[in-house]
Amino acid sequence: QQPVQSPQAVILREGEDAVINCSSSKALYSVHWYRQKHGEAPVFLMILLKGGEQKGHDKISTSFNEKKQQSSLYLTASQLSYSGTYFCGTDSYGQNFVFGPGTRLSVLP
Amino acid sequence: GAGVSQSPRYKVAKRGQDVALRCDPISGHVSLFWYQQALGQGPEFLTYFQNEAQLDKSGLPSDRFFAERPEGSVSTLKIQRTQQEDSAVYLCASSDKAIGTKNIQYFGAGTRLSVL
Repeated sequence: QQPVQSPQAVILREGEDAVINCSSSKALYSVHWYRQKHGEAPVFLMILLKGGEQKGHDKISTSFNEKKQQSSLYLTASQLSYSGTYFCGTDSYGQNFVFGPGTRLSVLP
Repeated sequence: GAGVSQSPRYKVAKRGQDVALRCDPISGHVSLFWYQQALGQGPEFLTYFQNEAQLDKSGLPSDRFFAERPEGSVSTLKIQRTQQEDSAVYLCASSDKAIGTKNIQYFGAGTRLSVL
């Protein structure tokens, strides 16, 4: 079952902050975050594991609410290079890896 | 090579033709994934290999789709009798760990398939 992402799209000015949420109805083992620019491959940003372990990008922070099965991606002091579509991917027990529908982020000068 | 390599980058096929898409994963990576990505959508899982074993093919949309990884490295996704609805970007990803662990996936640039 596909995770739900919100918002669908967000427009920021350089230097502003953004939060992107990803939630699932299934018990998750891990949540992955990727960013994809138009015409390019998705690029790994962050992985969160059940139990709180995180691994990834040093300018991006994330949280994982195990009770709600929800992860949030925090982008602070956004830069033009942050523009792209952000996907969360979820790894749950007994199910293959599933990506969310994406959140389109546009950072304007 | 340094990353996941996919070929061809673009493929135009006439409806009914067979196509073969190739993926060269990062050397030594045990896991290999194929995804289909329609315009404006997230990647949709097609199939997963751990070494040469195809452990999950539940995402393949029909029996016209077939994937193999005979020696546990290079993989080929074959689509027989292509239909217009097969038009999409096909992404391959590899990981040095098995699914269900810290399996960070590294993606190739994809093959854009257009069926006319």
